Amino acid sequence: GAVVSQHPSWVICKSGTSVKIECRSLDFQATTMFWYRQFPKQSLMLMATSNEGSKATYEQGVEKDKFLINHASLTLSTLTVTSAHPEDSSFYICSAVTGNTQYFGPGTRLTVL
Amino acid sequence: QQPVQSPQAVILREGEDAVINCSSSKALYSVHWYRQKHGEAPVFLMILLKGGEQKGHEKISASFNEKKQQSSLYLTASQLSYSGTYFCGTETGTYKYIFGTGTRLKVLA
Repeated sequence: GAVVSQHPSWVICKSGTSVKIECRSLDFQATTMFWYRQFPKQSLMLMATSNEGSKATYEQGVEKDKFLINHASLTLSTLTVTSAHPEDSSFYICSAVTGNTQYFGPGTRLTVL
Repeated sequence: QQPVQSPQAVILREGEDAVINCSSSKALYSVHWYRQKHGEAPVFLMILLKGGEQKGHEKISASFNEKKQQSSLYLTASQLSYSGTYFCGTETGTYKYIFGTGTRLKVLA
């Protein structure tokens, strides 16, 4: 199957700092990528749809100024958590679709102290 | 609305069978099934694109009842490696997915 990578795998940061997470499709081009957030023992919740060359589409309740998404190329989308707070600590997962199948990156665990 | 899965959790002995159900209050146009191990991203299992479709891979299969807005995942002769959380996913728009509430499965030796 197709491969999606994320970097970093985990990050610990201080409250108030910004964190950037990268999502790459390694063997296919993705005009659309998705960002999810997953809290412990809960399901994945879609945060936003990242569109190459245009603005991201955010789900209701997700602050676009806090979660900045940039999809600069057909293989790379980035999510920047600005001014992170402890309540932003979560597992962030990106995905990309090719064919009819959604492939997930391995996830990034963010811990904000 | 998020699809509701049942049961929420299940514990099995190796070799036993399990069924996981996914029900939606909205029309389902396709159903995807994923398994997630703790601390890892979900792994795609299969997709069902139309009502009445049934699919299987080795000892894991699924069915899709479009009229009832339901899908079921069948795990036969479970193995230790089947342990994890299973999610159904439905497509709400072009490549936009909503995931079900999840079912935690634990297979014991």
